[in-house]
Amino acid sequence: GAGVSQSPRYKVAKRGQDVALRCDPISGHVSLFWYQQALGQGPEFLTYFQNEAQLDKSGLPSDRFFAERPEGSVSTLKIQRTQQEDSAVYLCASSPRQATPDKEAFFGQGTRLTVV
Amino acid sequence: DAKTTQPNSMESNEEEPVHLPCNHSTISGTDYIHWYRQLPSQGPEYVIHGLTSNVNNRMASLAIAEDRKSSTLILHRATLRDAAVYYCIEGTSYDKVIFGPGTSLSVIP
Repeated sequence: GAGVSQSPRYKVAKRGQDVALRCDPISGHVSLFWYQQALGQGPEFLTYFQNEAQLDKSGLPSDRFFAERPEGSVSTLKIQRTQQEDSAVYLCASSPRQATPDKEAFFGQGTRLTVV
Repeated sequence: DAKTTQPNSMESNEEEPVHLPCNHSTISGTDYIHWYRQLPSQGPEYVIHGLTSNVNNRMASLAIAEDRKSSTLILHRATLRDAAVYYCIEGTSYDKVIFGPGTSLSVIP
């Protein structure tokens, strides 16, 4: 497809379970971002990749959150030992440019994670 | 943290123009102003961006104040499909987009 694809669209996890969320960015896009969006809030930045390099992970809320993009295309956000406060929509975005201010980011539809 | 301020919510009648304001009083000279919107159950989508001059595209117009401390997103004829949360964002020299709470726009038929 032409857009950013995320899977699964919905995920229910039991508290303590590990989850992996996948993002397929637009082909050729250099930059990739992960965001967390709680209900009724704006998206919160989690982490940023430029190709395979994770240049910024300042938004990851704890060491239970881990992201990778080993070949500079597909990315996976992993959450270990999920807790109820991890329930949110996780958004992935990609951008064709790197470190330029006139950027446009393309977002996927997100993965809604519910921890029960 | 987001450096822009917007009203929490606005209403518009269908087929009327909508002016969505944003204050970005600490914007630096090289930061772009970006607008995204998020329809229900969707990811955010890019609307428009600008630096100093007013900008027009097929979705909207962006009017930027001369001192660049504020801007207004203009939807020329609101439709029901325009009901969304609209985010005004200062673009940093770094790539990441920092969202605030945005303005929730309701369109009344």
